[in-house]
Amino acid sequence: QLQLQGSGPGLVRPSETLSLICTVSGGSITTTNYFWGWIRQPPGKGLEWIGTVSYDGSTYYNPSLKSRVTLSVDTSKNLFSLNLNSVTAADIALYFCAASVPATTTAAFDFWGQGSLVTVSS
Amino acid sequence: SYELTQPPSVSVSPGQTARITCSGDALPDQFAHWYQQKPGQAPVLVIYKDTERPSGVPERVSGSTSGTIVTLTITGVLPEDEADYFCQSVDSTGAFVVFGGGTKLTVL
Repeated sequence: QLQLQGSGPGLVRPSETLSLICTVSGGSITTTNYFWGWIRQPPGKGLEWIGTVSYDGSTYYNPSLKSRVTLSVDTSKNLFSLNLNSVTAADIALYFCAASVPATTTAAFDFWGQGSLVTVSS
Repeated sequence: SYELTQPPSVSVSPGQTARITCSGDALPDQFAHWYQQKPGQAPVLVIYKDTERPSGVPERVSGSTSGTIVTLTITGVLPEDEADYFCQSVDSTGAFVVFGGGTKLTVL
């Protein structure tokens, strides 16, 4: 059973870069079966897709965040990561990592991490 | 940008049937998926590809589709079904993932 564990700083200063990683266990990050995604949820609000990265590093980004987001895969550590630059208070949210099966953007997210709360404050 | 529209809230009494809709122009051509989210927890997939049920999801949970509207139906609603429900799909190009705004199901 695939398990995802998100981690990273819970506090980021305005205008700086938010960096989160998602460690994958119970399966390989390089498997062709999965796409790896990030979804966020501001307090009391709905889900927002941030982007998806494939096993070979191909990326798909939410157009509203594309200019500030970078997703990548680290095959040596079996994890994938999210970098979101120039953060503001609007980026305060619970950030989820997730895996979709099969490896296509149209697939459902079958597996989710527990969520990482990120606050933006000086 | 592409949007999926859900009612903000649905209320039913225990034992009744809850229906939650999700509308979007690309839904006739793209699959939709449904998630249940309880407070403080990650979303859980309850329906994928419009009508398919993951293992472990009870048969009283079902999905259907008609044109630009997909529907999540929960029959014989139980108190533990009280949660937020989100639909998910992609735009017409298939490249961009979109979530509906979510529906809070209240069991009276």
